[in-house]
Amino acid sequence: AQSVSQHNHHVILSEAASLELGCNYSYGGTVNLFWYVQYPGQHLQLLLKYFSGDPLVKGIKGFEAEFIKSKFSFNLRKPSVQWSDTAEYFCAVNPNNAGNMLTFGGGTRLMVKP
Amino acid sequence: EAGVVQSPRYKIIEKKQPVAFWCNPISGHNTLYWYLQNLGQGPELLIRYENEEAVDDSQLPKDRFSAERLKGVDSTLKIQPAELGDSAVYLCASSPPTRIGEQFFGPGTRLTVL
Repeated sequence: AQSVSQHNHHVILSEAASLELGCNYSYGGTVNLFWYVQYPGQHLQLLLKYFSGDPLVKGIKGFEAEFIKSKFSFNLRKPSVQWSDTAEYFCAVNPNNAGNMLTFGGGTRLMVKP
Repeated sequence: EAGVVQSPRYKIIEKKQPVAFWCNPISGHNTLYWYLQNLGQGPELLIRYENEEAVDDSQLPKDRFSAERLKGVDSTLKIQPAELGDSAVYLCASSPPTRIGEQFFGPGTRLTVL
């Protein structure tokens, strides 16, 4: 079965610092990749997605993620974080032959200090 | 569009008592999911419905958990009897047929078993 690893469980940054959250998955076939975000007191929502094509994808609020197939990675980045980016971030994998199934990583809790 | 609705938002029960959670997905979404989310972890799939049919319930502890989705719309997840280890957030999500991997989550029900 596939698995998703997010090695950074907690990250604390100051505003304007750059962000990179790691995500690695174990699955040998073709996958679709997602980052979901959960802001404090809110429900999980989609941040960005990768299906195919340009491995650098851009999402909402200035976030981007890069798919590196050889490393089985899909890291999330943002050049300059804001206090409002404080949230929990989840990487998720959808194997191409698995319909709408998602396997989530354990999440990374980001705190941005004003 | 209206989001996924779940009730109750919070539930506190004593062990060995039954409990039920209700979910109303977004209109037109044929796929419905129930997830379990423990503190500090990512969502883990319990059961997935395609319309009325449960197509993946391999992770549902069937000795105490049951679910139904009558008429392919609302769904109910039940635990009977509840155990201390069932304390968690129970998330419901739905997705339309054309957006693979994109799931829309409800606010969740936080269950505390005493």
